[in-house]
Amino acid sequence: GAGVSQSPSNKVTEKGKDVELRCDPISGHTALYWYRQSLGQGLEFLIYFQGNSAPDKSGLPSDRFSAERTGGSVSTLTIQRTQQEDSAVYLCASSKTGYTDTQYFGPGTRLTVL
Amino acid sequence: GQNIDQPTEMTATEGAIVQINCTYQTSGFNGLFWYQQHAGEAPTFLSYNVLDGLEEKGRFSSFLSRSKGYSYLLLKELQMKDSASYLCAVRDLGSGGSYIPTFGRGTSLIVHP
Repeated sequence: GAGVSQSPSNKVTEKGKDVELRCDPISGHTALYWYRQSLGQGLEFLIYFQGNSAPDKSGLPSDRFSAERTGGSVSTLTIQRTQQEDSAVYLCASSKTGYTDTQYFGPGTRLTVL
Repeated sequence: GQNIDQPTEMTATEGAIVQINCTYQTSGFNGLFWYQQHAGEAPTFLSYNVLDGLEEKGRFSSFLSRSKGYSYLLLKELQMKDSASYLCAVRDLGSGGSYIPTFGRGTSLIVHP
């Protein structure tokens, strides 16, 4: 079946603009994760969804970052008033239940803030 | 919080064996993953250990010692295509109360002829 998809694959924006990143998980996967990966850095956890609720938002770096998930499927990560330090690859992953299951990653969205 | 350490870079020869180590400190351990990530691509799952011991899967094996907070990924019969970054991730109890995988910075493996 289809894997995790993300859009756009690349996004270039100007400092101060808002951006929306989309993740479409594997059908039937209840858990969804957002990470970001800066050049030469490990994956930084941002937020975790179980169904439509977000039991763990501890990784969101500031109140400029928010995420939602509707219908237990598609998720959107929104970054308001983007800053240059937000430039990174944003990766989405999904898993069947979120506790012991393997995460399957999407191809990521490369965000560049000028 | 979590602290996950793995070497930044390793080199090895095609056909050889390489061991990539990962040490960690957690407050509520609930499993350790290894992922492979080729440059410009998303991570892909390699292995999962939750109990002590060795898990073997083809050319790749992963070992876990919970008491020592230690794992390694063993790659045998290295091929050029194994050149990639190898990420160690530990599932730990996050500050939000959920079990969240925390990733190390990855070990960049370079396989040369």
